[in-house]
Amino acid sequence: NAGVTQTPKFQVLKTGQSMTLQCAQDMNHEYMSWYRQDPGMGLRLIHYSVGAGITDQGEVPNGYNVSRSTTEDFPLRLLSAAPSQTSVYFCASSPQGNTIYFGEGSWLTVV
Amino acid sequence: AQSVTQPDIHITVSEGASLELRCNYSYGATPYLFWYVQSPGQGLQLLLKYFSGDTLVQGIKGFEAEFKRSQSSFNLRKPSVHWSDAAEYFCAVGAAPYSGGGADGLTFGKGTHLIIQP
Repeated sequence: NAGVTQTPKFQVLKTGQSMTLQCAQDMNHEYMSWYRQDPGMGLRLIHYSVGAGITDQGEVPNGYNVSRSTTEDFPLRLLSAAPSQTSVYFCASSPQGNTIYFGEGSWLTVV
Repeated sequence: AQSVTQPDIHITVSEGASLELRCNYSYGATPYLFWYVQSPGQGLQLLLKYFSGDTLVQGIKGFEAEFKRSQSSFNLRKPSVHWSDAAEYFCAVGAAPYSGGGADGLTFGKGTHLIIQP
C-alpha cells in the first residue's frame, strides 16, 4: 500500500478522550476517504473528500470529524471517544475515476 | 442504494484445489466492481477490478473474476489455491461513473474468510 500512510497504527483511548488519526498520501490524489472495519461488517464509509476544502459524510459519520486543508492530508478526529468506536480504521485515496488505494489501517480500542 | 452480498462467511479449500468466491451486487446502473484481499493484521490489497469491456478480468496472484450482468454477480476464481491465499476476501461496488475514493466511496460486502487445508 505504498503512498497512503496512516498513523498511529495502534491506539488505546479512554472513553471521552479525543484523538486524531492521521492520513497522508503522496500521489497527488484528489479523492480521499475514511472507512471503519468491524467484524462481520466489511468496511463502511465514514467521511470522504473530493478535494482540498471539500468534505462530506458517508454511511457512518456520527462521532467523527474531518478536514481537508491540503491535497495530501485527511485527518480523522474523534472528539469524545466511545467504546462503539473501537474498530480498525482505513484511509484511502484515489485519482479521479480510478482505483482506490488503502492505507495499512489503524487499530483503535476505546475502553 | 447499492449493496453487495457475499453469501459465504467461511470457505475451506484444500491446497491445490480450485476456488470460487461468490459476490452478488445490487445497483441501479452500470457497476464498477472490485475484489480486495486482506491478510490478518494487514490492509487491503486490490486483486482485480471491472470497469467495462471484457467481462472476464484477470488479476494478481492468479485470480480472475467474471462479471455477469444478468445474474448481478462478480465471482472470484482461482484454479489452484496455495496456502498463502488464506485470507479475508472482500467484494466491493462503486457508483458509475466511478469517481474514486471520495465522491461515492465503495460499498463492501461483509467478506469471505478463506481457509486452506494442507
